[in-house]
Amino acid sequence: DTAVSQTPKYLVTQMGNDKSIKCEQNLGHDTMYWYKQDSKKFLKIMFSYNNKELIINETVPNRFSPKSPDKAHLNLHINSLELGDSAVYFCASSQVAGGLYEQYFGPGTRLTVT
Amino acid sequence: DAKTTQPPSMDCAEGRAANLPCNHSTISGNEYVYWYRQIHSQGPQYIIHGLKNNETNEMASLIITEDRKSSTLILPHATLRDTAVYYCIAQAGTASKLTFGTGTRLQVTL
Repeated sequence: DTAVSQTPKYLVTQMGNDKSIKCEQNLGHDTMYWYKQDSKKFLKIMFSYNNKELIINETVPNRFSPKSPDKAHLNLHINSLELGDSAVYFCASSQVAGGLYEQYFGPGTRLTVT
Repeated sequence: DAKTTQPPSMDCAEGRAANLPCNHSTISGNEYVYWYRQIHSQGPQYIIHGLKNNETNEMASLIITEDRKSSTLILPHATLRDTAVYYCIAQAGTASKLTFGTGTRLQVTL
C-alpha cells in the first residue's frame, strides 16, 4: 500500500487556469505538508496542517489554497496559474508536527504551465 | 535553522563506503542533524537523525563531531541504488518543517 499518494502525477495546463492536486496518506499521521521543488531543484515548504489546522504558511501567494477535509487528506488548489508555478509539488506527512518525526513524502506532481 | 554546507557532488565505487560530510558550524544546542535523500525525481526519503551521539540504523550511520560543528553520513556498502541527492539539515526538533539546502549529489559507479 502506498503510504502517501498524490494525484495527478503529471499536470499540464495553460496560464490562467485553476487546478487542484490531491494528497492522501494512510499512515494515520496528524500532520501533512506541501513542498515545492522548482526547476533548480530547490525544495521549499509551502504549507503544513496539523489535524486539519493550518500551522505553517510560508508566504505563498494567496492563489494557492490548501484544504484539509480530514487529517488523511491535504489538497492544493491553485487559481490563475502562472508560468512560474511550473514545478514539482510534493506532499508529505509525519506522525505529529516537529522535525523529530520522520516525514514521509509522496511521489510528487509535476505541474507544467504553458 | 543553522546553515549547512555540503560538497555539491561526490563519487563512490559500488561496494565501498560512501562518506558524505556536512558542515554546520553555527548549530545551536537544541538543533538536530537530519539526513534525507532524493533519488532521481522521487520524493525525499528520511535516512537518519541525531543530536550529539553517533547513530546507526539499517540504512546508514551518522557520526557527529564532539563540538557538533560537522557530521558525516556513512553508507557502509554503497550500491547503484544509493545514487541520489543527499540533504543535511540542522534545525530544532520542535521545528514543524524541513528546510532543505542544495545537498550533495552522490554518484555510485561500477
